[in-house]
Amino acid sequence: GAVVSQHPSWVICKSGTSVKIECRSLDFQATTMFWYRQFPKQSLMLMATSNEGSKATYEQGVEKDKFLINHASLTLSTLTVTSAHPEDSSFYICSARDRGSSYEQYFGPGTRLTVT
Amino acid sequence: QKEVEQDPGPLSVPEGAIVSLNCTYSNSAFQYFMWYRQYSRKGPELLMYTYSSGNKEDGRFTAQVDKSSKYISLFIRDSQPSDSATYLCARTNFGNEKLTFGTGTRLTIIP
Repeated sequence: GAVVSQHPSWVICKSGTSVKIECRSLDFQATTMFWYRQFPKQSLMLMATSNEGSKATYEQGVEKDKFLINHASLTLSTLTVTSAHPEDSSFYICSARDRGSSYEQYFGPGTRLTVT
Repeated sequence: QKEVEQDPGPLSVPEGAIVSLNCTYSNSAFQYFMWYRQYSRKGPELLMYTYSSGNKEDGRFTAQVDKSSKYISLFIRDSQPSDSATYLCARTNFGNEKLTFGTGTRLTIIP
C-alpha cells in the first residue's frame, strides 16, 4: 500500500526558533499534499494544501508567514514552523494524494512538536 | 453548526460486542464519506469509504450512509481489543480534495 513518512517523529525546540518537518510519499507520486494540526483529544484541522511546484493554499486563520510550506517535488513537502511559540505545540500530520486517486489521502505517522 | 458532528465518547464495550459509531453532517453536497482509525500518537488510516446511500461491508466493518437523514455509521462486529482507537468520520465533495473530519470517537474494547 501507499506509504507516507514524516521526519522527525518528535521534536522539542525553544521558543523563537524554527523547526522543519518533512513529509515524503515513499512509493507513489503525490501531486497534492496536505498539512493538518491536531491538538490533544481534538480532530484534525487542515492547515494548508500544497501542490507540487506551486504555492500552498492556506486555510482561513492559518498564518502563511509562520507556517512555511514547500512542495518541491512529487514526493516531498516540508512544513517550517518559524519563530515557534509554546502555543504552536501540537501534533502535525501530513497526507498525500496519489495522482491517480480522486479522493483518497494517505496519512503520515505525525510529528509531535513541543515548544518550550 | 459544525459541518460534521461526531460524539467524542469515550465509548467502552466488552470484547465481542457490536460497536456502532455515528456521525451527522450538514451539507447535502457531500459526496464521499470515509471512516479513519487513529491509534494514539499515530496518523489516521483509512478503513472504509463510500459515496452512496446504503451499506458497504468489509470484513468485520460495515459503513452505512443515509443521505436523506445526513447520517453515517460504522459498525464493528466481533470487536477485538486491537480495535481500541479513535475513529474519525470524514467527508469530501466530488472534485474537492479537502477532507473535513469529525471530532473522533475514542473506543475501548475491554478484554
